[in-house]
Amino acid sequence: KQEVTQIPAALSVPEGENLVLNCSFTDSAIYNLQWFRQDPGKGLTSLLLIQSSQREQTSGRLNASLDKSSGRSTLYIAASQPGDSATYLCAVKGNTDKLIFGTGTRLQVFP
Amino acid sequence: EPEVTQTPSHQVTQMGQEVILRCVPISNHLYFYWYRQILGQKVEFLVSFYNNEISEKSEIFDDQFSVERPDGSNFTLKIRSTKLEDSAMYFCASSMQGGNTEAFFGQGTRLTVV
Repeated sequence: KQEVTQIPAALSVPEGENLVLNCSFTDSAIYNLQWFRQDPGKGLTSLLLIQSSQREQTSGRLNASLDKSSGRSTLYIAASQPGDSATYLCAVKGNTDKLIFGTGTRLQVFP
Repeated sequence: EPEVTQTPSHQVTQMGQEVILRCVPISNHLYFYWYRQILGQKVEFLVSFYNNEISEKSEIFDDQFSVERPDGSNFTLKIRSTKLEDSAMYFCASSMQGGNTEAFFGQGTRLTVV
């Protein structure tokens, strides 16, 4: 059974820092991995999708990498801003259509 | 930019009542999903729907739940005889295809059962 874990659970940093959020999964047989952002009481905003054949994806200040064989993905946020404060979720899709979500990393960036 | 829309944003219902949560997926998407998130817990899969039928459902999705695509645009989740433990944020999602395509989520409906 696929299990997805995210470390750290919470992170508080000053503005301008470069950050790394970690996601690990137990079954490497995945189709893709998706990173989401969730603001308090709100929906999920898709940030990046990495296919199983890819090593990384970039969007603006965000870069996500995938090492399928070791069951890991990282989300790199460059030059963090207070507006980046949110919970970041990773989710993996296996050989079915459902996404299996991690526990999330709650990020706070202070000015 | 196309988006998934859900109504209502917040629903309060008495225990034992039936509720219908509504979603309008992105128009050219073919796969539809419901997920839920109990406060403080992970987002968890409920059901996927393709070609007018359920393609997969979780253990949570028992006879109390049903889904329907009543017309070409709406996708609904019905919860019969609600229980206190059904209180959660319910998210609708859609994707163009299954497999490798990106899933887009709505803003959620917060269901509170009292």
